[in-house]
Amino acid sequence: EVQLQQSGPELVKPGASVKISCKTSGYTFTEYTMDWVKQSHGKSLEWIGGINPNNGGTTYNQKFKGKATLTVDRSSTTAYMELRSLTSEDSAVYYCARVNWAYAMDYWGQGTSVTVSS
Amino acid sequence: DIQMTQSPASLAASVGETVTITCRASENIYYSLAWYQQKQGKSPQLLIYNVNSLEDGVPSRFSGSGSGTQYSMKINSMQPEDTATYFCKQAYDVPWTFGGGTKLEIK
Repeated sequence: EVQLQQSGPELVKPGASVKISCKTSGYTFTEYTMDWVKQSHGKSLEWIGGINPNNGGTTYNQKFKGKATLTVDRSSTTAYMELRSLTSEDSAVYYCARVNWAYAMDYWGQGTSVTVSS
Repeated sequence: DIQMTQSPASLAASVGETVTITCRASENIYYSLAWYQQKQGKSPQLLIYNVNSLEDGVPSRFSGSGSGTQYSMKINSMQPEDTATYFCKQAYDVPWTFGGGTKLEIK
């Protein structure tokens, strides 16, 4: 069974950074791109970027360049997203999602809530 | 960026009714269109990819169609468990972009 287990909710201060993890199981980690998606409260979804776990290659939405950094640890089959210089605009739920051959996100993590507040 | 305009923003349907949600892309996305369902407090789930391919386990009352810039998803015979928000997403060109969502409720 494919599973993506994300780390828990985060409360962080403005200007700080946060690193979210997405632990995978049930499939070959290096065979599927992992995407990250932002959902601000009550709003639609925004694609942040994706990472190829096989070679670490990344593609970012220009809007999130400099804000998000995607990495993987193949030994633990875990994907990570670090968000830096956080502001209230970064308060949202963040999802990791596995991408299938048709570039559709076929499995999703449960989401990680990030709240930026002093 | 490719803009995805989804309509309607909200909709209420009776059990057994047929529901149609549409998505218009700002340019031709060459059949690279997926639909996702998000229930309250849950993660989105993939329903349909490549316009009309049903993801494993998705009931056959869901279907997709379209081409070029115009796409739609239909639910034949609305069920109470279909209450959710639905999003379209294009995967033709990065950045992938989503529609604004359609909130579907039972009447």
